[in-house]
Amino acid sequence: DTGVSQDPRHKITKRGQNVTFRCDPISEHNRLYWYRQTLGQGPEFLTYFQNEAQLEKSRLLSDRFSAERPKGSFSTLEIQRTEQGDSAMYLCASSLIDADLYGYTFGSGTRLTVV
Amino acid sequence: LAKTTQPISMDSYEGQEVNITCSHNNIATNDYITWYQQFPSQGPRFIIQGYKTKVTNEVASLFIPADRKSSTLSLPRVSLSDTAVYYCLVGEGNRDDKIIFGKGTRLHILP
Repeated sequence: DTGVSQDPRHKITKRGQNVTFRCDPISEHNRLYWYRQTLGQGPEFLTYFQNEAQLEKSRLLSDRFSAERPKGSFSTLEIQRTEQGDSAMYLCASSLIDADLYGYTFGSGTRLTVV
Repeated sequence: LAKTTQPISMDSYEGQEVNITCSHNNIATNDYITWYQQFPSQGPRFIIQGYKTKVTNEVASLFIPADRKSSTLSLPRVSLSDTAVYYCLVGEGNRDDKIIFGKGTRLHILP
């Protein structure tokens, strides 16, 4: 297991299009998190899953955003009707349940550019 | 997670020792101090954690005074590759079910 994988690494899309990102966590990790990061800011929490259940969603996650983790393994984050303000790095992380703060592993992210 | 305050940015030169201080006046008894490092175009990665006094690993040292209201991340003899954002986090893993990041400290190493 080589860590958390995210695909694609880069995505350029036209405003109004839908995009989907994939995250493959560390296989034994029960929890999976999505964050968004814009230039000069720290990562902002969007949502997290424990196995296949989505346990928390930030108010940042508008109704154009949807995340799934259907079999408790990989996850997808879909953005519908993209807007220029959605341009950001989307980071995925995974951890064990009740992980200590050192126990989070992040992927390298998907950089989205909406033109 | 407890509120933390750290400098927005720092510059240093190759070969110098860099110290980044984080203030956390409201740290709770069970809280640990954890630092993450984020290189450009990568996700954050854990570098060090401590509870009190001093912790050292192959990447950094962490100094925590007796009152635990602040901590200092020390990077010895930095190189250009240490240019990154460093995040100070204070909390207890079993209580905090996610990481909430601040803006971190943007460290720029000059040749």
